[in-house]
Amino acid sequence: DQQVKQNSPSLSVQEGRISILNCDYTNSMFDYFLWYKKYPAEGPTFLISISSIKDKNEDGRFTVFLNKSAKHLSLHIVPSQPGDSAVYFCAASARYGGSQGNLIFGKGTKLSVKP
Amino acid sequence: DAGVIQSPRHEVTEMGQEVTLRCKPISGHDYLFWYRQTMMRGLELLIYFNNNVPIDDSGMPEDRFSAKMPNASFSTLKIQPSEPRDSAVYFCASSGRLAGNYNEQFFGPGTRLTVL
Repeated sequence: DQQVKQNSPSLSVQEGRISILNCDYTNSMFDYFLWYKKYPAEGPTFLISISSIKDKNEDGRFTVFLNKSAKHLSLHIVPSQPGDSAVYFCAASARYGGSQGNLIFGKGTKLSVKP
Repeated sequence: DAGVIQSPRHEVTEMGQEVTLRCKPISGHDYLFWYRQTMMRGLELLIYFNNNVPIDDSGMPEDRFSAKMPNASFSTLKIQPSEPRDSAVYFCASSGRLAGNYNEQFFGPGTRLTVL
């Protein structure tokens, strides 16, 4: 039973346009959410996070939106660049309701940004 | 800092052999995690340690898998005996107060294991 779901295995976007990656979760105890980016032959690297007390967090070209009522979050990349082509993982944590530091990952979405 | 270090980067072995994967976390981090990535199951947590003590090993698939953390700077994941279905990429990650947030885990480059 997947607690964190990324229903789109892949996404293709034109350079300069917006990329929107989606993530759904089922566990209402999750209170912290993260996005990781992974290039081939490398480990995932932290990209951006959001606490459940917020509904938006922005860092440069990357913005994460959280809709707690829908148990849904999304990552927006504007404008998209070819270097953004990677696999993006959504992850969630229940910092106060369970094991601290334990992240549950989605299966990832492969983003391809075409020049 | 050199980041999380894993060795070997690639391991090819035959079914039945013992495999040992190694990890050096970022200095000062007090949490260490072992993950396995496969196409079917994605990135799944196997076990994690806090201050060298195993906290949750519910993700360890079978008794063939074992993990140790003898000190703050070293951990091993052992598979004995190995089977073809163990073929995957194994990641080690660490986190701690130095990261500013315990939830921001730093991953190593992974070990690609192939069991023939």
